[in-house]
Amino acid sequence: DTGVSQDPRHKITKRGQNVTFRCDPISEHNRLYWYRQTLGQGPEFLTYFQNEAQLEKSRLLSDRFSAERPKGSFSTLEIQRTEQGDSAMYLCASRPTASYNSPLHFGNGTRLTVT
Amino acid sequence: GESVGLHLPTLSVQEGDNSIINCAYSNSASDYFIWYKQESGKGPQFIIDIRSNMDKRQGQRVTVLLNKTVKHLSLQIAATQPGDSAVYFCALEGSMMDSSYKLIFGSGTRLLVRP
Repeated sequence: DTGVSQDPRHKITKRGQNVTFRCDPISEHNRLYWYRQTLGQGPEFLTYFQNEAQLEKSRLLSDRFSAERPKGSFSTLEIQRTEQGDSAMYLCASRPTASYNSPLHFGNGTRLTVT
Repeated sequence: GESVGLHLPTLSVQEGDNSIINCAYSNSASDYFIWYKQESGKGPQFIIDIRSNMDKRQGQRVTVLLNKTVKHLSLQIAATQPGDSAVYFCALEGSMMDSSYKLIFGSGTRLLVRP
């Protein structure tokens, strides 16, 4: 399967704990995106990378959230001191750099539950 | 800024009938529009897209119509099947001049197909 891969699929954590999610994009895709989706809502943009450079961050991305893509391949999203409001599906997507106006290819997400 | 809205949160259709899902947007500078299908527990799956220099595009059983005058987008599904039951999202991307290479999603319409 050469699609976008996310790990873990599900994560349950207690409030105040730190969590880290991983995304492996489609190999030839230079742009990698993180979105958050709550129940009954559309995905909300969090941040995106071109290669290893983080080019845009949403105001939704508080200072408890940090994303990295150190080698321009896989990416991690870390949430520190989790809160119940962080419970959501975290989606990763990718697209080739040269393809402005092209679909994002999404993974199946990591569902986070903060108790 | 950009915003995307949907006319109906839930659409129920008889198997074999045609489905029409509507979407309104506010940013007249948007260049690119896209429809995604999302099944439970999965990430959004690309269905069809259209660029602002077109007003209609057809795929297999699906047609997207774009009316830039009234800023309206629709997805038509012909001969709706049980496997079409899912949540459908419209999304748009701003113009290249905005240098904002991300998709903005609407809140979704749930399509229920009655046997």
